[in-house]
Amino acid sequence: QVQLQESGPGLVKPSETLSLTCSVSGGSISHFYWSWIRQSPGKGLEWIGYIYDTGSTKYNPSLKSRVSISADTSKNQFSLRLSSVTAADTAVYFCARRTYDEVTGDYYFDYWGQGILVTVSS
Amino acid sequence: QSVLTQPPSASGTPGQRVIISCSGSSSNIGGNTVTWYQHVPGTAPKLLIYNNNQRPSGVPDRFSGSKFGTSASLAISGLRSEDEADYYCSTWDDSLKAVVFGGGTKLPVL
Repeated sequence: QVQLQESGPGLVKPSETLSLTCSVSGGSISHFYWSWIRQSPGKGLEWIGYIYDTGSTKYNPSLKSRVSISADTSKNQFSLRLSSVTAADTAVYFCARRTYDEVTGDYYFDYWGQGILVTVSS
Repeated sequence: QSVLTQPPSASGTPGQRVIISCSGSSSNIGGNTVTWYQHVPGTAPKLLIYNNNQRPSGVPDRFSGSKFGTSASLAISGLRSEDEADYYCSTWDDSLKAVVFGGGTKLPVL
């Protein structure tokens, strides 16, 4: 059973960079897409971006200028960096695996972490 | 404001059938498949329905999905207390070039 666990600081100061890591167990990160998704207080889910194990990335255009996602296959981890944060970036951040279903040609997030609350405040 | 529109809340009693709607446009639901997720706050979200109406292994057949045009629906029959959760629809948006979600529907089981 694949399991994901987010880790990182729960408090980040405005204008600084938010950095989170997702550790994957029960399976290799190779040959899958790995995503970050967030949920701001009282709001719905927002996709941040994903990375494929080859290092190719795709980001939400609304966040693209501030986001970087990287992966370390030797540690079976992938990471998120979000720069120049403001209070609007306060959210629960989830990591998730995005799977491509060869039978249906569909993509979906089939495994998720429990999420980590990151508060942006001085 | 979310790209996909869901009712903020729905309600039902045990045994009832509940339907949650998800409305989009031609650039998202109209041209792509819809996925549904179940989220109990504080836990990891769970994949419920993919490819509009397919259930992953382990998801009871009480859950069913459908799509028509630019809208989709999630139906839950034989409502149970453990179905109390937030439900989100999701798809790809060709104009935004991004994965998009609905705002979520909170479902208490009264």
